[in-house]
Amino acid sequence: NAGVTQTPKFQVLKTGQSMTLQCAQDMNHEYMSWYRQDPGMGLRLIHYSVGAGITDQGEVPNGYNVSRSTTEDFPLRLLSAAPSQTSVYFCASSPGAGTAFFGQGTRLTVV
Amino acid sequence: QQPVQSPQAVILREGEDAVINCSSSKALYSVHWYRQKHGEAPVFLMILLKGGEQKGHEKISASFNEKKQQSSLYLTASQLSYSGTYFCGTPLGSNTGKLIFGQGTTLQVKP
Repeated sequence: NAGVTQTPKFQVLKTGQSMTLQCAQDMNHEYMSWYRQDPGMGLRLIHYSVGAGITDQGEVPNGYNVSRSTTEDFPLRLLSAAPSQTSVYFCASSPGAGTAFFGQGTRLTVV
Repeated sequence: QQPVQSPQAVILREGEDAVINCSSSKALYSVHWYRQKHGEAPVFLMILLKGGEQKGHEKISASFNEKKQQSSLYLTASQLSYSGTYFCGTPLGSNTGKLIFGQGTTLQVKP
């Protein structure tokens, strides 16, 4: 059972480039979320989804897009990368009100 | 809207006790506690679903005071393995898919 899988683990982008961070879960969880983690800021919610076809904004959604076409996948798109988006990104899934399972994270650097 | 954690950092010797507090200006529907070791993903510790609830896992326990909009995590007779950053999380509103976290409390246990 793989749980939550994020790819890539590391990425360096130039300012203005776009990219997609992948997230897949094999636990048939309804809820999936994306967080960014910066020193001293904790985990901040970017976007989340309560099921296929349903997404909503979190605390810091600007500069990011998401879609949820299947239960398993929840990709995060950076439209035009900025240095302020340098961070560690975590994807999480949960079966509703219960435990959130996190992926291993993607460390993104924008230069 | 982020929950507020205190203290921001704690340094202990093995065997000492610690308390980490989590408070919110908004109503708390439930409180989740997670621990993250350096370079790893956050891992679920426990969830408290109703006011007055207390839970424990080995020598780590937590309480939830719904009226005061507070939760506390108690680490008793700390071990080296307890080192890491602890986060409290709470759903924003009744939608449990929108889980937001405090800024984290870094705990270092020394021999």
